[in-house]
Amino acid sequence: GESVGLHLPTLSVQEGDNSIINCAYSNSASDYFIWYKQESGKGPQFIIDIRSNMDKRQGQRVTVLLNKTVKHLSLQIAATQPGDSAVYFCAEKTGANSKLTFGKGITLSVRP
Amino acid sequence: NAGVTQTPKFRVLKTGQSMTLLCAQDMNHEYMYWYRQDPGMGLRLIHYSVGEGTTAKGEVPDGYNVSRLKKQNFLLGLESAAPSQTSVYFCASSLGDRGRLFEQYFGPGTRLTVT
Repeated sequence: GESVGLHLPTLSVQEGDNSIINCAYSNSASDYFIWYKQESGKGPQFIIDIRSNMDKRQGQRVTVLLNKTVKHLSLQIAATQPGDSAVYFCAEKTGANSKLTFGKGITLSVRP
Repeated sequence: NAGVTQTPKFRVLKTGQSMTLLCAQDMNHEYMYWYRQDPGMGLRLIHYSVGEGTTAKGEVPDGYNVSRLKKQNFLLGLESAAPSQTSVYFCASSLGDRGRLFEQYFGPGTRLTVT
């Protein structure tokens, strides 16, 4: 079946650098994508979302890019901070009832 | 405004025992969801509800039952727990399709161990 996945299981970056977390999706009919952050022992927390009629959306220190041609989604975090260390999930809306399909997650580790 | 709350936070069960996990939300959301999270597996949808009195199966519904008697509550039941149900369980809620806002708000999770 079709699923959302991530390229790398872990990412280590230096504090202050920019981070880029990538996600590949396979369902060309998906019309909505969302990034979540999950800190240890907590539930996932919304970061940013994007609809399929857009290719870029910016938030506070974060940018999501959507490339529908190659079915690729990325999350860019500017000036990465220690508090950004967490597991990041991408998810896509796969049809009715607002159901989301989640990727397996990638761990972001920020080096001081 | 507490958002989404879950009880209990931790639980240890013996094989064959039953239990109910409670999820409550105070955001007047229509849709509610139950997920399980296992290492390396991401979040998998167990059951969901699109409104009071309605429930539907998700990706991994076997061994679980749910009820949505009140709009603010969504209960997940395990009738006969098995070690394979050892996991962290998350509840989430969302406005639903009518608002064209699909963000799901998650609770803090329940860590369940079945021995």
